[in-house]
Amino acid sequence: AQSVSQHNHHVILSEAASLELGCNYSYGGTVNLFWYVQYPGQHLQRLLKYFSGDPLVKGIKGFEAEFIKSKFSFNLRKPSVQWSDTAEYFCAVNNAGNMLTFGGGTRLMVKP
Amino acid sequence: DAGITQSPRHKVTETGTPVTLRCHQTENHRYMYWYRQDPGHGLRLIHYSYGVKDTDKGEVSDGYSVSRSKTEDFLLTLESATSSQTSVYFCAISEGVAEGTDTQYFGPGTRLTVL
Repeated sequence: AQSVSQHNHHVILSEAASLELGCNYSYGGTVNLFWYVQYPGQHLQRLLKYFSGDPLVKGIKGFEAEFIKSKFSFNLRKPSVQWSDTAEYFCAVNNAGNMLTFGGGTRLMVKP
Repeated sequence: DAGITQSPRHKVTETGTPVTLRCHQTENHRYMYWYRQDPGHGLRLIHYSYGVKDTDKGEVSDGYSVSRSKTEDFLLTLESATSSQTSVYFCAISEGVAEGTDTQYFGPGTRLTVL
């Protein structure tokens, strides 16, 4: 079975710091990759997605992610975080049908 | 936000009682999903539906059943609730147009506590 690992469970940063959240998946074939975010008290929403083409994808709110096939990774980055980025972030992978496998999530706290 | 509502939003129940959670969408999307969210586990798929009366099991389907009699409604039933089913339950929908690349849109969640 496919699995998705997010190694950082909790991250605390100060405003303006750079962010990188790790995501690794186990499936070796063609995959579609997503990052979702859950702000406090809000629905999960998609930040960005990768299906094919340029492995560096840009999403909403200044986030980007890089797909490195050889490392089975899809790390999320943001050059300068804001207090409003405090949320839980989930990496998700699709390799068949319309099903998603989610990672365990990373809770980000940004201190003002 | 996609038109997805879940009811109830909060529920406390006792072990052994039946519980039904409802997901309602106004988007006319083909696919509907039920997930549970637990700390450290992210979201895990319970069941999904790819059309009226067409459903299938997900990763953690034991103890749960679903029904979809109309495009807009997807019900999740715990036949006899157990404390291990205490969780936050999310419904999601997707168009089902582009297999594998569809974005899933999530509802607000239902917090269920089984005492």
